[in-house]
Amino acid sequence: EVQLVQSGAEVKKPGESLKISCKGSGYSFSNYWIGWVRQMPGKGLEWMGIIYPGDSDTRYSPSFQGQVTISTDNSISTAYLQWSSLKASDTAMYYCARKSDATSSLSYNYGMDVWGQGTPVTVSS
Amino acid sequence: SYELTQPPSVSVAPGQTATITCGGKNIGTRNVHWYQQKPGQAPVLVIYGDTKRPSGIPERFSGSNSGNTATLTISRAQAGDEADYYCQVWDSSSVLFGGGTKLTVL
Repeated sequence: EVQLVQSGAEVKKPGESLKISCKGSGYSFSNYWIGWVRQMPGKGLEWMGIIYPGDSDTRYSPSFQGQVTISTDNSISTAYLQWSSLKASDTAMYYCARKSDATSSLSYNYGMDVWGQGTPVTVSS
Repeated sequence: SYELTQPPSVSVAPGQTATITCGGKNIGTRNVHWYQQKPGQAPVLVIYGDTKRPSGIPERFSGSNSGNTATLTISRAQAGDEADYYCQVWDSSSVLFGGGTKLTVL
């Protein structure tokens, strides 16, 4: 079964750092783009960025460029989303998702076919 | 920058057809993907490439895209179809989501 399993809930203080994970299984992890999506409480989906594990090609949404870092460790089929200094406004659910076509080029013909269960992040003093 | 516009809410009676729209300038020239998100759950891809259904998605779900409007159609609506629905396109190597539409089946 193809699945993405995310790390558990996090409670942090403003200014702290954080790295959450997304482990893929049941498929060739290196061959599929992995994206990250934010959903603030009661709000819609926001795109953060995407990475191709095969060559670490990373594309950030302009809204999140410089605010987060996306990376992978292919040896353990895991993608990461990290912050160096959290803000209260980072409180949200974060999802990872796999782009459905196995290609290093970022084609626009396909959506995100497999999603993680989400990692809730709470930032509060 | 490119924008996608969805109605905040749509209501449908059980057994009837629900239509959810996604507006954007010349959206007919882009590939549109649709997601269903039920409360407390992760999104699920229900339509990709304007009209294609991933495996496991019922035939009741269909999509179309032309001009300035893409449409998700849910035939024979059921209580289990109640959810938020999001359209999505790619733009300059990034994803754009519509604001989402809450479908109520009543």
